[in-house]
Amino acid sequence: DIQLTQSPSFLSASVGDRVTITCRASQGISSYLAWYQQKPGKAPKLLIYAASTLQSGVPSRFSGSGSGTEFTLTISSLQPEDFATYYCQQLNSYPRFTFGPGTKVDIK
Amino acid sequence: QVQLVQSGAEVKKPGSSVKVSCKASGGTFSSYAISWVRQAPGQGLEWMGGIIPIFGTANYAQKFQGRVTITTDESTSTAYMELSSLRSEDTAVYYCARDKTPTYYYDSSGPGAFDYWGQGTLVTVSS
Repeated sequence: DIQLTQSPSFLSASVGDRVTITCRASQGISSYLAWYQQKPGKAPKLLIYAASTLQSGVPSRFSGSGSGTEFTLTISSLQPEDFATYYCQQLNSYPRFTFGPGTKVDIK
Repeated sequence: QVQLVQSGAEVKKPGSSVKVSCKASGGTFSSYAISWVRQAPGQGLEWMGGIIPIFGTANYAQKFQGRVTITTDESTSTAYMELSSLRSEDTAVYYCARDKTPTYYYDSSGPGAFDYWGQGTLVTVSS
């Protein structure tokens, strides 16, 4: 099974900060990686798919990069509504998928 | 606009089963895979399994093999997830989610990601 790790698990940041979250896969997954944002009590929201493609309607301050085993999600200028938990997901091992453990972004 | 509407909260006894529904509206139900994802209190997301309605064949995470059954009813555009032999650790919010890529594109592009999600169904397992 493909395992995903995320770092950091938790980060504290201020509005306007540039934030980077890393997701690493236990084996190569090409570009079959997605990023989600989840706020308390809500369903996850798709931000990025195919490692770097911005989902329609998602602000351009979000970007994704990487391929193979290492991927990053960057928020160029953190906004108050961006405080949430972020998950990566691999879709390479179709028909079975896995999520990373999550990164909580909190207000400094 | 695609919407996935799930059935309401459930309280179940240990050892029993629960069946959660996910009714889709908007879009073509049969051509998009539906997955079930759960989230225990304070924990992360866990993929349980998925199904392509037009084929009717489900695939499950190894952890849930033998305990979970995912089905669809194309006549009502509804997907179902049934989990049996419930234990307290199964207390969680259960989500259905739809793949953004129609399955007829899988050969060329592979699966996409989950662009539409249900609102979640809380299942509480308690004696």
